[in-house]
Amino acid sequence: GNSVTQMEGPVTLSEEAFLTINCTYTATGYPSLFWYVQYPGEGLQLLLKATKADDKGSNKGFEATYRKETTSFHLEKGSVQVSDSAVYFCALRMDSSYKLIFGSGTRLLVRP
Amino acid sequence: DVKVTQSSRYLVKRTGEKVFLECVQDMDHENMFWYRQDPGLGLRLIYFSYDVKMKEKGDIPEGYSVSREKKERFSLILESASTNQTSMYLCASSLKGSTNTGELFFGEGSRLTVL
Repeated sequence: GNSVTQMEGPVTLSEEAFLTINCTYTATGYPSLFWYVQYPGEGLQLLLKATKADDKGSNKGFEATYRKETTSFHLEKGSVQVSDSAVYFCALRMDSSYKLIFGSGTRLLVRP
Repeated sequence: DVKVTQSSRYLVKRTGEKVFLECVQDMDHENMFWYRQDPGLGLRLIYFSYDVKMKEKGDIPEGYSVSREKKERFSLILESASTNQTSMYLCASSLKGSTNTGELFFGEGSRLTVL
């Protein structure tokens, strides 16, 4: 079946460090891919998305590129801030479905 | 501003009690979802509804039921709560059809503890 695998956390970084959170997927077909973020005490919100191979999603300094050849959608940010501390979820959706399939989430902690 | 509101942020119930979790959205969305969130497991879909009175089972529907009598409201029901249903419950909504970009709008969650 379709699934998403994320790197286990927590990921602890110092402010201004480079961030990578790995995400790979398994899907029968070509899904749309998403990154959602959950700040402490809040619900999830969409961070960025990509709908086809080689698309790059970007928002708030975060980027992720849809790589069909490696079935990956890694999240990157060049310089993290304390305010980026949150849980990040990778997700996929098949065109024929309204449902999102989520990874297990990766907690990011950024220290001053 | 778009909003999904879950009626209770924190609930504590006893084993065997009937539990209602309510969710209301003000965006006129056709689709509504209930997920549960557990550490290390991410979000797992319990049920979703694509229209009033319509529902489909998700990946883990056992022990749960849902009700959608009005477009804006989607309720999750635990007929007889058990300790393994202690979790964070997240409601979400989205548009249907060609306007659906895949984006879900989430509520803040309801943390249920079953003793």
